[in-house]
Amino acid sequence: RKEVEQDPGPFNVPEGATVAFNCTYSNSASQSFFWYRQDCRKEPKLLMSVYSSGNEDGRFTAQLNRASQYISLLIRDSKLSDSATYLCVVNPNTGKLIFGQGTTLQVKP
Amino acid sequence: GAGVSQSPSNKVTEKGKDVELRCDPISGHTALYWYRQSLGQGLEFLIYFQGNSAPDKSGLPSDRFSAERTGGSVSTLTIQRTQQEDSAVYLCATGGRDTQYFGPGTRLTVL
Repeated sequence: RKEVEQDPGPFNVPEGATVAFNCTYSNSASQSFFWYRQDCRKEPKLLMSVYSSGNEDGRFTAQLNRASQYISLLIRDSKLSDSATYLCVVNPNTGKLIFGQGTTLQVKP
Repeated sequence: GAGVSQSPSNKVTEKGKDVELRCDPISGHTALYWYRQSLGQGLEFLIYFQGNSAPDKSGLPSDRFSAERTGGSVSTLTIQRTQQEDSAVYLCATGGRDTQYFGPGTRLTVL
């Protein structure tokens, strides 16, 4: 079993749609969680951290469920510019971050 | 500069040659990571440096791969006797425990 698992997609949605991605992790001792975004042929960049209480940044909402060991990212009112690969990232307290394979989102006009 | 820089941005080499990739981290960042990403694939962890501690080399795919970090700053990743399956984008990242800042990567093509 992979340490961090994501549905690779692609998720094809129309502009304005709401889309949600989930991610599961295997190490219950993991302490911190993140979503990174990677545009085509570019490097990954931090999108947002994920807090136990859930957190929101504009159209983006991240949730953590420690009991079920999954993390979610919700994007409301999708824009064309949201098209990218979204990487779920977990810090299992081993000194390095563990990256999921990524979920590809394509927003269509 | 303000961000992580890597050089060269592109490298084309012949099978069997050695290559050296360079990473200049953000000043003051003690942690430095190397990853590689093949086309359409996720990030594959290679090696991790943290301060003066022994590096975590657990992700290096073979003994043809090695990396150094001199003076806690610049890092070089060396691939000896390159093979076609080494073709990928090699990404360097620096940062703290929770946040990593990536460089633009070096796209390596082995012919």
